[in-house]
Amino acid sequence: DQQVKQNSPSLSVQEGRISILNCDYTNSMFDYFLWYKKYPAEGPTFLISISSIKDKNEDGRFTVFLNKSAKHLSLHIVPSQPGDSAVYFCAASGGNTGKLIFGQGTTLQVKP
Amino acid sequence: EPEVTQTPSHQVTQMGQEVILRCVPISNHLYFYWYRQILGQKVEFLVSFYNNEISEKSEIFDDQFSVERPDGSNFTLKIRSTKLEDSAMYFCARDWTENYGYTFGSGTRLTVV
Repeated sequence: DQQVKQNSPSLSVQEGRISILNCDYTNSMFDYFLWYKKYPAEGPTFLISISSIKDKNEDGRFTVFLNKSAKHLSLHIVPSQPGDSAVYFCAASGGNTGKLIFGQGTTLQVKP
Repeated sequence: EPEVTQTPSHQVTQMGQEVILRCVPISNHLYFYWYRQILGQKVEFLVSFYNNEISEKSEIFDDQFSVERPDGSNFTLKIRSTKLEDSAMYFCARDWTENYGYTFGSGTRLTVV
């Protein structure tokens, strides 16, 4: 039962361009969404989050957009840097539970 | 950013042996979580622990698993009789804050042979 899906296993972009990572969810009870960045053999590192009452949240180069009607969110990274190369996980929580449901992850490669 | 520290970083154990994974030190937090990631797969929720009790657990968290906060700061995950399929990265996480979301530890890589 994949409640959170990241359909693109990988993405490659040129340094300086925009990276767009996508995430879809099925559970309408989710009310909080997060993006994490992960390197091999390390724990997920929090990037940015968004509440279901908002449709956009911005933090520096990172912007998350939420489309509730489509049950879709995306992470935009502008401009992309080689240091952004990592696996990006979308996660969701809701319904008075703190547990996170993760997507499968998207491997981002930013080429110099 | 507040840190979540896990020990050991890597544990190799024989099938059937007990292992204890530790999340140290934690203070002033009420909610703790354990997640795992099997190689190449997504991060999966195992259990949440609130005020010294399990508040929620997944179907993965069967009778072979237990969690404790034995001394008020350390938070442990015990696997009583390890199986090959328990091999994974295990992550401890502390409760949510506005600036840092749920903060994860660096993980313990468990290898069952």
